[in-house]
Amino acid sequence: DSGVTQTPKHLITATGQRVTLRCSPRSGDLSVYWYQQSLDQGLQFLIQYYNGEERAKGNILERFSAQQFPDLHSELNLSSLELGDSALYFCASSEGLSRGLMNTEAFFGQGTRLTVV
Amino acid sequence: KNQVEQSPQSLIILEGKNCTLQCNYTVSPFSNLRWYKQDTGRGPVSLTIMTFSENTKSNGRYTATLDADTKQSSLHITASQLSDSASYICVVPRVTGGGNKLTFGTGTQLKVEL
Repeated sequence: DSGVTQTPKHLITATGQRVTLRCSPRSGDLSVYWYQQSLDQGLQFLIQYYNGEERAKGNILERFSAQQFPDLHSELNLSSLELGDSALYFCASSEGLSRGLMNTEAFFGQGTRLTVV
Repeated sequence: KNQVEQSPQSLIILEGKNCTLQCNYTVSPFSNLRWYKQDTGRGPVSLTIMTFSENTKSNGRYTATLDADTKQSSLHITASQLSDSASYICVVPRVTGGGNKLTFGTGTQLKVEL
């Protein structure tokens, strides 16, 4: 158990809908990362938050947004869903500061499997 | 362009045999390199982290090497077991605009058979 909790584990929804994925980081971790992994693809970085602030952005679609709350949990919102959004969405957390301490390790949750039908 | 490339893409070996997975990176500046193991449908789990000054690091049957000059790393698995069947991912972090971005390779899919 990595200590990172993601809910729900599975989600099935229709095209055009909106969903929210939730991530609770390990106790004490300030950084949260979101990744998308499509079938047979590598992990694609979406966005990073550190202590409530957006710190780095990857290839995240405009239909997607995220936030990190004062209690450090994070939510990834996916809207106007398309079939191609079906994927595993992983959250990872680390204690790392926004700069430096790059040797810290990221711990991954078990992912949310999103299926858009 | 900051990239991480892995080879082979997939590999099938017999139980008990050894294998070596390769990772080439162009991420700059370089701080460290990590190898993760990802079981199907599960989150990646860290196997080892190697910093710029380290050449070799072992974790049980896993041994990682790093050549920072040629920007190459390898992961050697000794006496493979069925449970080693998984995707092995090479990851290199870099700073982007104040944040830390983990650049992932596409992984090597290893299957260990009887």
